[in-house]
Amino acid sequence: DIVMSQSPDSLAVSLGERATINCKSSQSVLYSSNNKNYLTWYQQKPGQPPKLLIYWASTRESGVPDRFSGSGSGTDFTLTISSLQAEDVAVYYCQQYYTTPYTFGQGTKLEIK
Amino acid sequence: QLQLQESGPGLVKASETLSLTCAVSGGSVSSSTYYWGWVRQPPGKGLEWIGSIYYTGSTYYNPSLKSRITISVDTSKSQLSLKLGSVTAADTALYYCSRQIYESRQVPYYFDYWGLGTLVTVSS
Repeated sequence: DIVMSQSPDSLAVSLGERATINCKSSQSVLYSSNNKNYLTWYQQKPGQPPKLLIYWASTRESGVPDRFSGSGSGTDFTLTISSLQAEDVAVYYCQQYYTTPYTFGQGTKLEIK
Repeated sequence: QLQLQESGPGLVKASETLSLTCAVSGGSVSSSTYYWGWVRQPPGKGLEWIGSIYYTGSTYYNPSLKSRITISVDTSKSQLSLKLGSVTAADTALYYCSRQIYESRQVPYYFDYWGLGTLVTVSS
């Protein structure tokens, strides 16, 4: 199985500041035939299901604010929130869909400092 | 607007079989561009993929659960089903139904829509 590891486990950022969450996969999730990274990011607020934010490592889902961005390739990925808003408090998960079993990172809890 | 509605008994006895359904509305379960998946989340913990199914009945299962799970689809009722046998306390979780993007001849991709989930508690 591909193991997904996120860092940090929790993060406190001031409103308006940048938040950065990292995700590392135990093997590359870059598919060479199409040069796509099979990596997605979800946001989960308390009492809610996960919400798709980013797919193909850097493509923002429709309706997701442009302060959210994804980057990285191969085994190392980053989710960046450029200017933290109060509504961004949540747990963020990365997930690989390069191969089954699909696997998720353990989650990063983002709070306001 | 797509809606996924999970349902089932909230309490299951250990060693018995957990049975859940997911009603799909606002979209077609028979679409060629989607798989339909089950993902679970133990209270206060992370996400675990259980398995996914296509409208034709083609499935992918998590090997860690494969011996105990059956996922099926009823296109006439526009619903999915999950059965998990020989449950233990470790199977206590919020169970989500989700839609998964799919392209022909590929492994299904990411989950773009999620139901609200249904909590299942396994009692001893």
